[in-house]
Amino acid sequence: GAVVSQHPSRVICKSGTSVKIECRSLDFQATTMFWYRQFPKQSLMLMATSNEGSKATYEQGVEKDKFLINHASLTLSTLTVTSAHPEDSSFYICSAINRGTGELFFGEGSRLTVL
Amino acid sequence: RKEVEQDPGPFNVPEGATVAFNCTYSNSASQSFFWYRQDCRKEPKLLMSVYSSGNEDGRFTAQLNRASQYISLLIRDSKLSDSATYLCVVRNYGGSQGNLIFGKGTKLSVKP
Repeated sequence: GAVVSQHPSRVICKSGTSVKIECRSLDFQATTMFWYRQFPKQSLMLMATSNEGSKATYEQGVEKDKFLINHASLTLSTLTVTSAHPEDSSFYICSAINRGTGELFFGEGSRLTVL
Repeated sequence: RKEVEQDPGPFNVPEGATVAFNCTYSNSASQSFFWYRQDCRKEPKLLMSVYSSGNEDGRFTAQLNRASQYISLLIRDSKLSDSATYLCVVRNYGGSQGNLIFGKGTKLSVKP
C-alpha cells in the first residue's frame, strides 16, 4: 500500500476559493517533503521544498503567498492554493524523504480543477 | 538547454520487441540517476536507479555514461503492461536532501 498518502485525490472548486491538499507520510518521519505540479503532457515541476518546523523554500516563479505550505509535523505537509484560478488547474504531487533511510516516496497526486 | 532531455516519443512497438530510451542531462555535477515510470494520471513510481557500471533488473537494463552525460533504458521482450511514460530523473545535490529533476518523459505504447 501507499506509504505517502495525499488527500484529496480529486477536487473541483470555483474560481476565487482556496483549496488545501494534505501530504502525509504513513509509517515514517519525513523532515523534507516536496511539492510538484504537472500540467498535461508536461514534466513534473518542483514548486517548493517543505521542511518540518521551518519555512518552505519556493522555486523561482512560484508565488509563496498563493501557494501556502505548512509542514508542522514530521508526518504532514499541506499545500493551500489560495484564490484559485482556472490556470491553477493541474496535477499536484507531493513526495517525502524517509528520515531514516533516505528513500523518496511519492503521494498519489491530487487533481485540481478550478471552474 | 533543459536540465534533463528525453525524446518524447511516442514509441509504438509490438509485444516482444526491444526498445531503448535515451536521456541527456546538462549538469556535470549530477550525482544520482533514476528511471521512473508514470502511468496516465498517476504518480511516478521508481523503476530503477542507474549506476555507473550499468545495472539490470529482469527485462530492464540501465546504463550511465558520465563523460557524455547520457543515460539509457533498454526494455527487452516488451509486455502490454509496459505501456507507460518513462521519466529520466536526476538528483543534483549530495545526500538525501536533494530534489529530483524530471525529464518530460518518453511515452511507450506496446501493442498486441
